[in-house]
Amino acid sequence: NAGVTQTPKFRILKIGQSMTLQCAQDMNHNYMYWYRQDPGMGLKLIYYSVGAGITDKGEVPNGYNVSRSTTEDFPLRLELAAPSQTSVYFCASRGATEAFFGQGTRLTVV
Amino acid sequence: AQKVTQAQTEISVVEKEDVTLDCVYETRDTTYYLFWYKQPPSGELVFLIRRNSFDEQNEISGRYSWNFQKSTSSFNFTITASQVVDSAVYFCALSEVGSGGGADGLTFGKGTHLIIQP
Repeated sequence: NAGVTQTPKFRILKIGQSMTLQCAQDMNHNYMYWYRQDPGMGLKLIYYSVGAGITDKGEVPNGYNVSRSTTEDFPLRLELAAPSQTSVYFCASRGATEAFFGQGTRLTVV
Repeated sequence: AQKVTQAQTEISVVEKEDVTLDCVYETRDTTYYLFWYKQPPSGELVFLIRRNSFDEQNEISGRYSWNFQKSTSSFNFTITASQVVDSAVYFCALSEVGSGGGADGLTFGKGTHLIIQP
């Protein structure tokens, strides 16, 4: 099994540009999450989804949007990139006993 | 609201020493899960353990052991006979069950950077 797959692994954006971070899982999990990790900090929840068609805001949703059209995919969109969105982004899906994380996307906004 | 505190920002020990990473949590729920994750320099998050709030038994897995004490709201992690490969950032996390908030997403501590010197 591939688990949770995130693309891209690295990206540099200019201020004001937009992009979509892709996340796919092959474990048929209903619960999926997007987190961001800033230096010296833990992970903070951006958005989450409890199933296809259902999403909701987490702790730090401003500047982001998500969609969940299928169980497998949970993309995260940045509409107008800002330097404050420079971070490492992790997608995760939740099984019965643990949360599985993707490899992360390192995003720099310049 | 739930909160996880890892007071130790960085710990440095010499190889073969034992080391304990502290984790203190806050939650209003009686049913919750506690986790430890390892983040090596390569950046991925590696699951180490999950413990539910009704199971206070300590757990040992090789050189790793965990001490869960509800009375002090702590879930500490000990590495015995540390090795250089244990160098990483370790995160403690909490998930409330059925609270409706964040769909049982994990609340993370800020992490402890563990450095094992050869």
